[in-house]
Amino acid sequence: NSKVIQTPRYLVKGQGQKAKMRCIPEKGHPVVFWYQQNKNNEFKFLINFQNQEVLQQIDMTEKRFSAECPSNSPCSLEIQSSEAGDSALYLCASSLPGSGNTLYFGEGSRLIVV
Amino acid sequence: QQQVRQSPQSLTVWEGETAILNCSYEDSTFNYFPWYQQFPGEGPALLISIRSVSDKKEDGRFTIFFNKREKKLSLHITDSQPGDSATYFCAASEATEGADRLTFGKGTQLIIQP
Repeated sequence: NSKVIQTPRYLVKGQGQKAKMRCIPEKGHPVVFWYQQNKNNEFKFLINFQNQEVLQQIDMTEKRFSAECPSNSPCSLEIQSSEAGDSALYLCASSLPGSGNTLYFGEGSRLIVV
Repeated sequence: QQQVRQSPQSLTVWEGETAILNCSYEDSTFNYFPWYQQFPGEGPALLISIRSVSDKKEDGRFTIFFNKREKKLSLHITDSQPGDSATYFCAASEATEGADRLTFGKGTQLIIQP
């Protein structure tokens, strides 16, 4: 019953290909997070936005990953040149600032890089 | 450096028993601790959360016990049901008025035997 909508649920890409995932946050939530969950269940924070502005991002995100949250359009996370190690579940979450960090997650987009 | 640790990695209990999942953290600035439940193929869903000003939080069959001095907390699931079989993640953050990211543990896979 996620109110955060992520598409596609699955995508398969060859190494070097672009991979793009989209997220519609819960209505009224201006804060959006992207996390990567690998096969060992480890969560890695990638980037977060408040409205259209980037708040924080990790180094990996700065190099091959790009993300945006334009107004009146879904947020997106794009991997410019996919690598095998990028195979993971990409989770989008949204929240209200000051809500004590209650994050609401979508179902995720599972990327398989072959 | 693992900021949030969970144990055990896997736990099997009989239906009707109490399952106890453990979590510890290192960063003394953490003050908000949500537990997420994740079923295979789905995104994590917020189950219950606690703030560091409290030592106990109860919601139905789910209870968090929190020990600030020892930097430990545990999730107790009483009267376990087969439908509780899932992976449970402990997370932590320094909740402010902003959009702070959560740090997750690696999860405990819980199996309830009927």
